[in-house]
Amino acid sequence: DIQMTQSPSSLSASVGDRVTITCRASQDIISDLSWYQQKPGKAPKRLIYDASNLQSGVPSRFSGSGSGTEFTLTVSSLQPEDFATYYCLQHHGHPYTFGQGTKLEIK
Amino acid sequence: EVQLLESGGGLVQPGGSLRLSCAASGSTFNSYAMNWVRQAPGKGLEWVSVIYSGGRSTYYAESVKGRFTISRDNSKNTLYLQMNSLRAEDTAVYYCAGCADGSCYSRGFDPWGQGTLITVSS
Repeated sequence: DIQMTQSPSSLSASVGDRVTITCRASQDIISDLSWYQQKPGKAPKRLIYDASNLQSGVPSRFSGSGSGTEFTLTVSSLQPEDFATYYCLQHHGHPYTFGQGTKLEIK
Repeated sequence: EVQLLESGGGLVQPGGSLRLSCAASGSTFNSYAMNWVRQAPGKGLEWVSVIYSGGRSTYYAESVKGRFTISRDNSKNTLYLQMNSLRAEDTAVYYCAGCADGSCYSRGFDPWGQGTLITVSS
């Protein structure tokens, strides 16, 4: 199975800050990785697909990069609505696996 | 664009069974691969199962293999999850989520349903 190690598990930041979340895969997953935002009581929402492609309608302050085994999600300038939990997902091989999540909180 | 709506959640005793449904709106359901993803209270997301667009290929997480069965009826635009031998650790919100490419190799999961809660307890 492909393990996804996501870090940090939590992050405290201020509005306007730049933040980066990392996911490392236990083996090469090429670019078969997507990023999701989840707010309390809501379904996850896709932000980035195929490692670096921005979902339509998602603000351009979100960006993704990486390939192979190391991937990052960056928010260039945090807005109040960005405080949420973020997950990566590898869909390269079965079983698909999510990262453990990063809870982004207001400092 | 496909929209998804789960149903069938509720309270069930350990060892019991339940069938979840995920109804899709839109005419392209039969081209989507469909997944079930669950989230235990206060925990992260866990992928459960996928069925490809043709319905012949299915895969499961080890934690549910042999107990859960995923299926689809493309004529009814509906995805199902038959859950047997339920355990307390199956308690979670269950989401259905689609892959537009038919096999989930690219683009990941979108759209998602709103989720349905399963509670396994005596």
